Amino acid sequence: EAQVTQNPRYLITVTGKKLTVTCSQNMNHEYMSWYRQDPGLGLRQIYYSMNVEVTDKGDVPEGYKVSRKEKRNFPLILESPSPNQTSLYFCASSPRPNSYEQYFGPGTRLTVT
Amino acid sequence: AQTVTQSQPEMSVQEAETVTLSCTYDTSESDYYLFWYKQPPSRQMILVIRQEAYKQQNATENRFSVNFQKAAKSFSLKISDSQLGDAAMYFCAYRSDTENSGGGADGLTFGKGTHLIIQP
Repeated sequence: EAQVTQNPRYLITVTGKKLTVTCSQNMNHEYMSWYRQDPGLGLRQIYYSMNVEVTDKGDVPEGYKVSRKEKRNFPLILESPSPNQTSLYFCASSPRPNSYEQYFGPGTRLTVT
Repeated sequence: AQTVTQSQPEMSVQEAETVTLSCTYDTSESDYYLFWYKQPPSRQMILVIRQEAYKQQNATENRFSVNFQKAAKSFSLKISDSQLGDAAMYFCAYRSDTENSGGGADGLTFGKGTHLIIQP
């Protein structure tokens, strides 16, 4: 089954404790991205990757890092989480940039206390 | 940069009736895609319907249809015969069909969402 998976689905952590949210897709997609969703703001893109070893900032990159060492994986790293990063996070993938198709992961609810 | 505006934070409709959710967008591009996503309480993002800007015919998926007005930059969603399962947040989204446009993000630009309530 074609899918995007994220782990963990729920995470409660404390300020400053490094964490990683994993994202994996099994469709051999070139393009992957991370979004955060906050009430009243919709979804905003954090980082994206056009292909292996090619990543770039989206609209709200501050406080986040990503890597793309393999085509299927695109982890989101919070080196020193802060309460303002409490949010719902979505990973997404597309066959290519600007594609008609976009597949979303199930979301990760992160709470930073 | 592109922007997407959903002017209705919340809408309510009686079950079995028809409701229209509004979406306008701003872009200088001519080639792009428009989407409506549904987000139920499970928080999963579910694609409802999508439209390619070069197509004049409005997209339809069962009870869901759009009214795409390219010149007016408007992309409304009509839900006919509303059902309790339609209750959700609905997001309108834009994506360029041109690589390296809009600062290079090439991702989706979302509106802030409309919360749809279905009254039984």
